[in-house]
Amino acid sequence: DAKTTQPTSMDCAEGRAANLPCNHSTISGNEYVYWYRQIHSQGPQYIIHGLKNNETNEMASLIITEDRKSSTLILPHATLRDTAVYYCIVSALYGTASKLTFGTGTRLQVTL
Amino acid sequence: GAVVSQHPSRVICKSGTSVKIECRSLDFQATTMFWYRQFPKQSLMLMATSNEGSKATYEQGVEKDKFLINHASLTLSTLTVTSAHPEDSSFYICSARDRTSGFYEQYFGPGTRLTVT
Repeated sequence: DAKTTQPTSMDCAEGRAANLPCNHSTISGNEYVYWYRQIHSQGPQYIIHGLKNNETNEMASLIITEDRKSSTLILPHATLRDTAVYYCIVSALYGTASKLTFGTGTRLQVTL
Repeated sequence: GAVVSQHPSRVICKSGTSVKIECRSLDFQATTMFWYRQFPKQSLMLMATSNEGSKATYEQGVEKDKFLINHASLTLSTLTVTSAHPEDSSFYICSARDRTSGFYEQYFGPGTRLTVT
């Protein structure tokens, strides 16, 4: 799996948009970008994934650059419950390369 | 939505004993389940990949004779930590891939905190 680079931590005011960047410059053509988050002492929660087009769901938006070497997860209106560690992972869809390898992630702190 | 459960949520055992942790997919069938371990303030580390009806594939450095994995059905995988020692104390998390969802998503259980005394 391609490696990813994320900032160690970020702060965001409640109600504002949280923009979490991720670099994945060695991503392969068949690898997707996944975002998961882990709230303290819980299992990770799936947020969103994408291949090359921007994606949006009820939780977040995912913006992937045209060259696919980086992406940004956007939480449009962050709340205190969004405080968590956010993991950006690149992984193929099938086969042995489809494992999710977690890096160190970004610790997002949402404040009042 | 897809739900994965783990049992027990917490377990304390004495050094030298064995502990079994169950991972169940409650509302979907999972051909593949994964087992992770997470030490305090660290990220998740994949231990092994478990496919229904076949032997698990262990990551490098994970002792397969110490961490026994059984994926006997499409909804149940078990991890047995044999002859547990204090250094095995950790947060164990399983995940499952829905065979009908196109393999896009893995659903994670809530985790099991193991303390070996």
